[in-house]
Amino acid sequence: DAGVTQSPTHLIKTRGQQVTLRCSPISGHKSVSWYQQVLGQGPQFIFQYYEKEERGRGNFPDRFSARQFPNYSSELNVNALLLGDSALYLCASSLYQGIYNSPLHFGNGTRLTVT
Amino acid sequence: SQQGEEDPQALSIQEGENATMNCSYKTSINNLQWYRQNSGRGLVHLILIRSNEREKHSGRLRVTLDTSKKSSSLLITASRAADTASYFCATTRSSGSARQLTFGSGTQLTVLP
Repeated sequence: DAGVTQSPTHLIKTRGQQVTLRCSPISGHKSVSWYQQVLGQGPQFIFQYYEKEERGRGNFPDRFSARQFPNYSSELNVNALLLGDSALYLCASSLYQGIYNSPLHFGNGTRLTVT
Repeated sequence: SQQGEEDPQALSIQEGENATMNCSYKTSINNLQWYRQNSGRGLVHLILIRSNEREKHSGRLRVTLDTSKKSSSLLITASRAADTASYFCATTRSSGSARQLTFGSGTQLTVLP
């Protein structure tokens, strides 16, 4: 079975532009989460979506938004890009909404560079 | 903000040796997980230990959890060059909704052949 797939793999944008990142979860997984990983640090939680509804939001500005589609794929949008948005953006899927005892399955990420 | 801190930040060992990484966290947790990340790639789940467990094994991996000290350790026995990667601990908080993982800053492990 295919794992979590993300597109594009790499992206270069200019400050002030907008970007859309895409994620397809593992088949059967209804929960999709987004994480931002700045170089040299651990991932930081941005959003969780379950059954097409936002179920959790991390400490990120309103420039960050996301949505989940009926097929459970998801998009992450970032507006008015700043240099500090340069990072690896990771999508993860899981079977359940809660992750008490359920690990996350990560994609290989989208490397976003803002110049 | 990062929940936990891994120690050491970097570790270099010879193939066949054991590698031990430590993780400390700040809040009460429901469970603690360890993930591995090869350079520039996604994270791979290694092992999950619940807050009521003290030790767990999976193949060459051994994880311990001390909730009184808010700390965990990951031991990789008989290391291989393929174990070279960054290792992160991640916690799920016991209060509120368990919908996010809070990651530490990671340990970069290098296994020399």
